[in-house]
Amino acid sequence: ILNVEQSPQSLHVQEGDSTNFTCSFPSSNFYALHWYRWETAKSPEALFVMTLNGDEKKKGRISATLNTKEGYSYLYIKGSQPEDSATYLCAFGNTDKLIFGTGTRLQVFP
Amino acid sequence: NAGVTQTPKFQVLKTGQSMTLQCAQDMNHEYMSWYRQDPGMGLRLIHYSVGAGITDQGEVPNGYNVSRSTTEDFPLRLLSAAPSQTSVYFCASSYSRGTDTQYFGPGTRLTVL
Repeated sequence: ILNVEQSPQSLHVQEGDSTNFTCSFPSSNFYALHWYRWETAKSPEALFVMTLNGDEKKKGRISATLNTKEGYSYLYIKGSQPEDSATYLCAFGNTDKLIFGTGTRLQVFP
Repeated sequence: NAGVTQTPKFQVLKTGQSMTLQCAQDMNHEYMSWYRQDPGMGLRLIHYSVGAGITDQGEVPNGYNVSRSTTEDFPLRLLSAAPSQTSVYFCASSYSRGTDTQYFGPGTRLTVL
């Protein structure tokens, strides 16, 4: 059974704080690692898809890194804003399937 | 482009009833999939399709049927609804593979009494 774990489960930060989350996944049969942003009452939206060991992706204040050999990825948010409040999902890509973690719920207080 | 659309948005069923959740995409994507989302469980793959006429099981396929007669449509059928199928169901599509970026529909909230 493929297991994708995310930590922490939830996080409360003040506006302006920087924060990061972890996604752990199997280090064998790796195809891709995805990050999605999921706001309440909406659908998940893709942030990044990473495929190579050492990949780093950036979109505005959000960035992600990938280590396929040890099976982890980090998502960083610099200078958190209230609009960053959402659940952040990672997903491990294995052949034709994505296995999702349970997410990190981020709340940013003004 | 409408993207991925799902109907209905909400549905209440009685145990034993059957129904079909509809999913359509207008992006000419080959890959389509169905997930269910339950509290504390994340998104779990029910069934997926890599192209018209081809379907396969995901992590939690029991109690659900799918077919893919066209590239655009991927309906999910509940044959005999059970309370354990109370969940939010998301349809998703991607260009060609399950490991490509997934585009999600708005979801269907299903309650089985």
